[in-house]
Amino acid sequence: DTAVSQTPKYLVTQMGNDKSIKCEQNLGHDTMYWYKQDSKKFLKIMFSYNNKELIINETVPNRFSPKSPDKAHLNLHINSLELGDSAVYFCASREAGGSDTQYFGPGTRLTVL
Amino acid sequence: GDSVTQMEGPVTLSEEAFLTINCTYTATGYPSLFWYVQYPGEGLQLLLKATKADDKGSNKGFEATYRKETTSFHLEKGSVQVSDSAVYFCALSDRGKGGAQKLVFGQGTRLTINP
Repeated sequence: DTAVSQTPKYLVTQMGNDKSIKCEQNLGHDTMYWYKQDSKKFLKIMFSYNNKELIINETVPNRFSPKSPDKAHLNLHINSLELGDSAVYFCASREAGGSDTQYFGPGTRLTVL
Repeated sequence: GDSVTQMEGPVTLSEEAFLTINCTYTATGYPSLFWYVQYPGEGLQLLLKATKADDKGSNKGFEATYRKETTSFHLEKGSVQVSDSAVYFCALSDRGKGGAQKLVFGQGTRLTINP
């Protein structure tokens, strides 16, 4: 009965590879997000989708491409991985038109070697 | 743009001590304010929130009051436990142009409680 789930939990890969992280929410929310947490624990918004439409894109390199096949899923694909992409990536969701509370997934720790 | 500033960590306290973690914000308008907690190896959990001035959010013995006059949302707990050891994030809700909502976080404060 997990509300927001992410796979994988850990991802270790080499520079230059392409990888994807998947997120699913069973809360019936319309809006989903990707946040990046760097090594100093600082959290910053990357993208947001509302009902499969991109509504926030915060100057993220175009090697990062989010995709939302339906409003319950938001995936993050990263091309040509770089050392600086190492971070924890969090997915979150929110009920559009409801409160501003966002519910977070457990995070995916990406390590680029 | 909107921003959140938290007190620098890490903070180390003994069990049953009083806790305050300061949080101030800069925003246009009156955003909703949040405290999220991240336990070791886990994701972020909502701890408490307040949606308007003078509202007090509370949960698990933690409290924070939305102070418009000082643009603050300080987190307090009267008697901390070892299990409260975690990283605490203050955040505000930013509705930018077009109304798209996002959370803007402070830098996080690592709290360690010693028995």
